[in-house]
Parts: sequence; C-alpha cells; structure tokens
Amino acid sequence: SQTIHQWPATLVQPVGSPLSLECTVEGTSNPNLYWYRQAAGRGLQLLFYSVGIGQISSEVPQNLSASRPQDRQFILSSKKLLLSDSGFYLCAWSETWNTEAFFGQGTRLTVV
Amino acid sequence: AQSVTQLDSHVSVSEGTPVLLRCNYSSSYSPSLFWYVQHPNKGLQLLLKYTSAATLVKGINGFEAEFKKSETSFHLTKPSAHMSDAAEYFCVVYVRDSNYQLIWGAGTKLIIKP
Repeated sequence: SQTIHQWPATLVQPVGSPLSLECTVEGTSNPNLYWYRQAAGRGLQLLFYSVGIGQISSEVPQNLSASRPQDRQFILSSKKLLLSDSGFYLCAWSETWNTEAFFGQGTRLTVV
Repeated sequence: AQSVTQLDSHVSVSEGTPVLLRCNYSSSYSPSLFWYVQHPNKGLQLLLKYTSAATLVKGINGFEAEFKKSETSFHLTKPSAHMSDAAEYFCVVYVRDSNYQLIWGAGTKLIIKP
C-alpha cells in the first residue's frame, strides 16, 4: 500500500533562517506531488506541483522553492524565512490530476 | 472561472442530530468533486468523491453527498452526528480547464455539542 511521510511535524525557526521540509512517498511510482499551505481559517493554497523528477511548477510568487531530486521525494525550501511564511504546510500525492490526493500529516511552521 | 463556495464557516449541531455542510461550485465543464476532512493539527483525509457516476455518493464514517447539477451544489450530509465528527471539512472541485488544479473551498468547521 502507498504511504506518505512528511517531516518535521512542528518547526520553530527565526526570521532569516533557511528552511527544508521533506516529503517522501512509498508504494507508488511517478506520482504527482504537491505542496500546499494552509493559513488559519482559510482553505488550502497550492504552492508547487510536480509531474516528474526535476519538473516543478509554481502557482504563486513567494519566498519558497521546491525540488524533486528523486521520483518519490519532494522538498520545500527557503533561503531566508519571513514572518509571513508561518503556517501549516501539507505535502500530497495523487496518481493523476483528477484522482484523490493523499496527504501527509503536515508541518506546523512558526517563524519568530 | 471555476470556484468553490462553502456557505458556512462554522456549523454547530448537537450529537445525534443531522449534519448538513453546504458547498456550491462554479464550473463551465463537468467537474469532479471531493469532500475532505481535517482533524485538528492533522493532515487531510478523503471522505468521498463524485466523478460523473451516481449522483448520490456514499463516503466513510456515514457521510454522503449529492451532486445536483441544476443547483451546482454538492452538499455533505450525515443522519446522526457523533462527537468524533468534530473537524474541518473542505469541498474541492477539479475541472479539466483549471490548469490541473484542485480548487479548494475555504472550509467549514463542524462543532458537535454534547
């Protein structure tokens, strides 16, 4: 069966520090991968999606970047965090565009 | 443009009473529709999905939703609420022409009163 792992669960980082959130998927190959951010009281905002190794599409301009160094690994990064980067980040995968997405447990990022 | 509107930001019901979470969508094409649930500080779990088969869709935990094209609605219901249903619920639409995005509603927080 397929599983998705996302870590860390919580993270407190100072303004200006770098960020690296990692997500891995097991039990499937060539999945579509997504990074979402969820601000308090709001729905999910798609940040990045990837259809294959090295293929990243960004949905909104921001202080973040994403990379897919391996088929089932998706990394969310920042060189210098801003206060506004605080939020709940979710990694997800799906087989195709119109099938259900499976989510990781999320990372609560607080930038102080 | 495609959009999803969840009509209530909060819904409060007593345990054992029916649940209704409302969702309306806007789409020029036949959509695929999903409901997800998110418990506090947890990831999201799919409750049910509609992909142009039966208009009444049954999901997990006793939830179901009915796709009504004439009303552009996909409301989520449950006959009898349980304390464990307290969570946030998201209505999501996928449309082919939306640049492959899932369009997410803002969410409805379901509160269960004992």
